[in-house]
Amino acid sequence: EAGVAQSPRYKIIEKRQSVAFWCNPISGHATLYWYQQILGQGPKLLIQFQNNGVVDDSQLPKDRFSAERLKGVDSTLKIQPAKLEDSAVYLCASSPRGSGLQSWVNTEAFFGQGTRLTVV
Amino acid sequence: GEDVEQSLFLSVREGDSSVINCTYTDSSSTYLYWYKQEPGAGLQLLTYIFSNMDMKQDQRLTVLLNKKDKHLSLRIADTQTGDSAIYFCAEKHNFNKFYFGSGTKLNVKP
Repeated sequence: EAGVAQSPRYKIIEKRQSVAFWCNPISGHATLYWYQQILGQGPKLLIQFQNNGVVDDSQLPKDRFSAERLKGVDSTLKIQPAKLEDSAVYLCASSPRGSGLQSWVNTEAFFGQGTRLTVV
Repeated sequence: GEDVEQSLFLSVREGDSSVINCTYTDSSSTYLYWYKQEPGAGLQLLTYIFSNMDMKQDQRLTVLLNKKDKHLSLRIADTQTGDSAIYFCAEKHNFNKFYFGSGTKLNVKP
């Protein structure tokens, strides 16, 4: 089974530029997550999709970040314009089950290798 | 809140046991997870425990759960240099949301 694919692996941009990241989740996985991991910290949830709908985007800085999951498969995360503090690893993860599933069913999240963004 | 707490560093000698601790926030979390992150890689699931269990053993890994204190630990027996990595605990809330701790960096000395 292929894992979660992300591209690019690395990106260096200047502040105020735009950048986009792409994620292809594991086939058939209903839930897709974007996490931001700042150096030395744990992953922080930015946005969660179930199929092509947004479940939670409360931590997404919507003035500069946007994300979409057209057709409920691949997803893109965009930052426009980027700030220095956006430097981080952006991790995509997917989970086979929907968000409405009862919480007593185990549903682990599978992670991609991440995109390391450096804003200079 | 979603502040899952972990100590930042742990250093052990090869062959010793490692114990990584975590305090989570939501007493209603039904599953708790341990993930491993090696340099430049994503997070890899190591093991998980259901909240009605006190202990789970999986080869060299033992997970202990104290639900009353919201305390989770991961014991790695016979720690090897290949176990050097950052270990994250995570709790799963309703609607399939995962919240992670800040990670414990395990350094295994030969």
